[in-house]
Amino acid sequence: ETGVTQSPTHLIKTRGQQVTLRCSSQSGHNTVSWYQQALGQGPQFIFQYYREEENGRGNFPPRFSGLQFPNYSSELNVNALELDDSALYLCASSLGLRAVNEQFFGPGTRLTVL
Amino acid sequence: AQSVTQPDIHITVSEGASLELRCNYSYGATPYLFWYVQSPGQGLQLLLKYFSGDTLVQGIKGFEAEFKRSQSSFNLRKPSVHWSDAAEYFCAVGLYSGGGADGLTFGKGTHLIIQP
Repeated sequence: ETGVTQSPTHLIKTRGQQVTLRCSSQSGHNTVSWYQQALGQGPQFIFQYYREEENGRGNFPPRFSGLQFPNYSSELNVNALELDDSALYLCASSLGLRAVNEQFFGPGTRLTVL
Repeated sequence: AQSVTQPDIHITVSEGASLELRCNYSYGATPYLFWYVQSPGQGLQLLLKYFSGDTLVQGIKGFEAEFKRSQSSFNLRKPSVHWSDAAEYFCAVGLYSGGGADGLTFGKGTHLIIQP
């Protein structure tokens, strides 16, 4: 059983560009959540996808968007990058929507916006 | 909205000594409570969780946590720390609104340093 994987590991972009981050869920998991972790902070919930539909969103603007595919892998897209978007982006997969279901986290993608 | 406070940004403990990491939450009802650990370059690993029932929960790596409703606290403990416990520890709360999952709300973390 493979765990949650994310790609790329590191990424450098300039302000105004667009970025796509990818996540492969743990086998059998149908729910993916994305978090942003700024330096020295705890992760912040961006949004969650369940069966290919967005199911909940945190306090993030619409330029943060996502997709979930039939195999439950997921993408996080960020448009019009800002300097404050520099962070570690974590993907977590789980079986089902409920907060009681354990979320398994990937190692993250480190995004630097210059 | 729920919130999580971890009052200690850094804690230094000698190897073999006991450990307690503090966590307080703010929420109208009893949320689901979690402790995660994050080592450099690693994702978050779940140490333990509380949903209901026995207020003392056991986790992996010898950790335990106690839920105290009256204090809105969920402190993490370990009787004897090892050098490999040096990491960032996050307390988190989760809830399910029924209309859509709200995700987990994390505290800012406590950085644990182990002295030889």
